[in-house]
Amino acid sequence: GAGVSQSPRYKVAKRGQDVALRCDPISGHVSLFWYQQALGQGPEFLTYFQNEAQLDKSGLPSDRFFAERPEGSVSTLKIQRTQQEDSAVYLCASSPLGDRSYEQYFGPGTRLTVT
Amino acid sequence: AQKITQTQPGMFVQEKEAVTLDCTYDTSDPSYGLFWYKQPSSGEMIFLIYQGSYDQQNATEGRYSLNFQKARKSANLVISASQLGDSAMYFCAMRDPYSGGGADGLTFGKGTHLIIQP
Repeated sequence: GAGVSQSPRYKVAKRGQDVALRCDPISGHVSLFWYQQALGQGPEFLTYFQNEAQLDKSGLPSDRFFAERPEGSVSTLKIQRTQQEDSAVYLCASSPLGDRSYEQYFGPGTRLTVT
Repeated sequence: AQKITQTQPGMFVQEKEAVTLDCTYDTSDPSYGLFWYKQPSSGEMIFLIYQGSYDQQNATEGRYSLNFQKARKSANLVISASQLGDSAMYFCAMRDPYSGGGADGLTFGKGTHLIIQP
């Protein structure tokens, strides 16, 4: 079956521009996560949804970062007034309910470069 | 404070040898989960193995096993009979309510770059 997909795969933005990154989770997966992975580092948690409810946004680095999942499936991560330090790979992951709810399936990521 | 520590930035291993990738963790919560993920150069994170803190036996998934030493807070990944396709970044991760990843998000280590040589 189809895995987690993310678009665009690559995004170049000029400093100060707004960007929107899209995540399509695996069909039926209730939980959705966003992570930020800087070059040479492990991913860092940004935010978590269960269905359409954003249950945790403690990892969002500033109020320029905003995430939504209005219908409980597709999610969008928006970054306003991008800064150079926002350059990273943004990973989306989803997980099902049930016995293997701990297993997060990751998408290929969106590589954001802010110039 | 660093919650997940991976002390090996890079490793070179001969094909067909066994590999142990180190991971230590820090948590005060009795209930937590430990994970290993593989990240090839394509960038996608691939789930390898999971160990719950209350699991009595070490987790195994095919050629992967997790050497869980709870008292030492150690969760090393063992790959048996390594293959060229095992060359990738490997990340250890933990889920607990206080690790900074939220109640369900994961906290990752910095990773180990494994290179399998023919």
